[in-house]
Amino acid sequence: EAGVAQSPRYKIIEKRQSVAFWCNPISGHATLYWYQQILGQGPKLLIQFQNNGVVDDSQLPKDRFSAERLKGVDSTLKIQPAKLEDSAVYLCASSPLFEVALPTYEQYFGPGTRLTVT
Amino acid sequence: ILNVEQSPQSLHVQEGDSTNFTCSFPSSNFYALHWYRWETAKSPEALFVMTLNGDEKKKGRISATLNTKEGYSYLYIKGSQPEDSATYLCAFINRDDKIIFGKGTRLHILP
Repeated sequence: EAGVAQSPRYKIIEKRQSVAFWCNPISGHATLYWYQQILGQGPKLLIQFQNNGVVDDSQLPKDRFSAERLKGVDSTLKIQPAKLEDSAVYLCASSPLFEVALPTYEQYFGPGTRLTVT
Repeated sequence: ILNVEQSPQSLHVQEGDSTNFTCSFPSSNFYALHWYRWETAKSPEALFVMTLNGDEKKKGRISATLNTKEGYSYLYIKGSQPEDSATYLCAFINRDDKIIFGKGTRLHILP
């Protein structure tokens, strides 16, 4: 089974520029998560999708960050404009559909995109 | 505010020695606790999914215990090997579907 794919793996941009990250979850996984992991901290959930609907985006800085999951499959996360403090690893994860049984929320992660804002 | 603490933040262990570290989480509204291993330049990989108080799980030389009443989980590594060098993350999930990660314990195995 193919894992979660993310691109690009690395990105360096200047502040005030825009950037977009792409994630393709494991086939059939209904839930998709975007995390931001700043150096020295744990991953922070930015947004959670269930199919193409948003379940939780309470920690997404909506003035500059946006995410979409059209057709309930792959997803893009955009930052516009970027700030220095956005330098982080952006992780995408997916979980299987859980209506069949009690969810464990076990997540399958992609390799992440390391963003450096200069 | 939900808080998940992991200790220590960093750990150096001699190859062959055993070690353990802790994840502390809120003891109320518990649903599940996950452990992940994150090697540099790779994807975080799930080690254990724990849901019941008193759970003990084992995968090779790595095992974990769970105490939901007091809000902690231990991860044990027996006979550390160089390939165990990684950051170990725990994630707490509550009954409101909130997922909170700890900052991780960075483990370095010394040859």
